[in-house]
Amino acid sequence: QQQVKQSPQSLIVQKGGISIINCAYENTAFDYFPWYQQFPGKGPALLIAIRPDVSEKKEGRFTISFNKSAKQFSLHIMDSQPGDSATYFCAASIGDDKIIFGKGTRLHILP
Amino acid sequence: EPEVTQTPSHQVTQMGQEVILRCVPISNHLYFYWYRQILGQKVEFLVSFYNNEISEKSEIFDDQFSVERPDGSNFTLKIRSTKLEDSAMYFCASSEITAQETQYFGPGTRLLVL
Repeated sequence: QQQVKQSPQSLIVQKGGISIINCAYENTAFDYFPWYQQFPGKGPALLIAIRPDVSEKKEGRFTISFNKSAKQFSLHIMDSQPGDSATYFCAASIGDDKIIFGKGTRLHILP
Repeated sequence: EPEVTQTPSHQVTQMGQEVILRCVPISNHLYFYWYRQILGQKVEFLVSFYNNEISEKSEIFDDQFSVERPDGSNFTLKIRSTKLEDSAMYFCASSEITAQETQYFGPGTRLLVL
């Protein structure tokens, strides 16, 4: 119940295309859903986050879509660029609790 | 921009030895965390620390692990008797108010237990 399931494990997208990463959860008590971006040799960095009272949040080329009834949320990267190549983690937390990470998606944008 | 720093960047140790991983959180942050990431796997929560005490710990954080804030700036993770399976990247993170505020991660310490 504390898991966050993420797919795909890896993704290759052409430059300019849309990258889509999906996550699902079981615990309806989760109330905060961040996405983290991690470059090789670096720690994860918060990219964008959403709370379940909204269905979509957009920041620049990054959009989170949230489906509360399906217990799913996804990250869309529009106009994907080679610099977006990284590992992306979806995550979830409850209140002041720890953050539970998904297994990660290794994204590669072809130049 | 303020950042979380960690030392050392790499540590190699023999099984059974004690290691101390060090972190300097962002100065006005109140919540501190340790996570680990086994190579190629997800980031796993170990422990959170607030007001000079552990606020939560995972099942991974057994009696071999301890955390300390020995002074006003450092936050340490000690592994008393390392095992082969402790080999991982260890990340320190800090947040200003709560876990749901942005957690800023350090660059990590890569621990290899031989």
